[in-house]
Amino acid sequence: DGGITQSPKYLFRKEGQNVTLSCEQNLNHDAMYWYRQDPGQGLRLIYYSQIVNDFQKGDIAEGYSVSREKKESFPLTVTSAQKNPTAFYLCASSIGGSAAFFGQGTRLTVV
Amino acid sequence: KQEVTQIPAALSVPEGENLVLNCSFTDSAIYNLQWFRQDPGKGLTSLLLIQSSQREQTSGRLNASLDKSSGRSTLYIAASQPGDSATYLCAVDGGSNYKLTFGKGTLLTVNP
Repeated sequence: DGGITQSPKYLFRKEGQNVTLSCEQNLNHDAMYWYRQDPGQGLRLIYYSQIVNDFQKGDIAEGYSVSREKKESFPLTVTSAQKNPTAFYLCASSIGGSAAFFGQGTRLTVV
Repeated sequence: KQEVTQIPAALSVPEGENLVLNCSFTDSAIYNLQWFRQDPGKGLTSLLLIQSSQREQTSGRLNASLDKSSGRSTLYIAASQPGDSATYLCAVDGGSNYKLTFGKGTLLTVNP
């Protein structure tokens, strides 16, 4: 079945630690996105990528980094520079203006 | 900057009732509008997508309308069921790199 797989489902980060969230899709979509969701808030765009080896900052990119070495994969690294990383992270993909498909999310908690 | 507002923030109805969720956006220059459903602790599921040239889309008991000139969309749910209980999110695509701008959602509870 085609879809988007995010891993892990739950992730715990210690202060000063970098962590990487995985996002893999087998939908052959060109575009991939990372969103952050906080309680009672809408989704906010962190980074997006339209093609391999190219990505753009979204509205809240500070403290995050991404790579797009393969069409299927768009990992997100939450760096120690992100001071408030506790949130629900969602990865999505689409083909130019079509309906977006979302993964099941990764819940990141700072311990 | 595009802003998306959803009203009400929460809605509780008895089973069987027809209901309307509202979404408004500030910039009418959109490419499309999407309605999503989110269950607690889960990802988003796309329900309906309306292109900017369309007025409405229907899927089963769901009907979404779009009035681009006034910056409004509605999601109509007919004969609501307890399984419809979830958060419903509206998102607009401004057409620039197909980025979505989301509203904060409406939390729907359908009581048996």
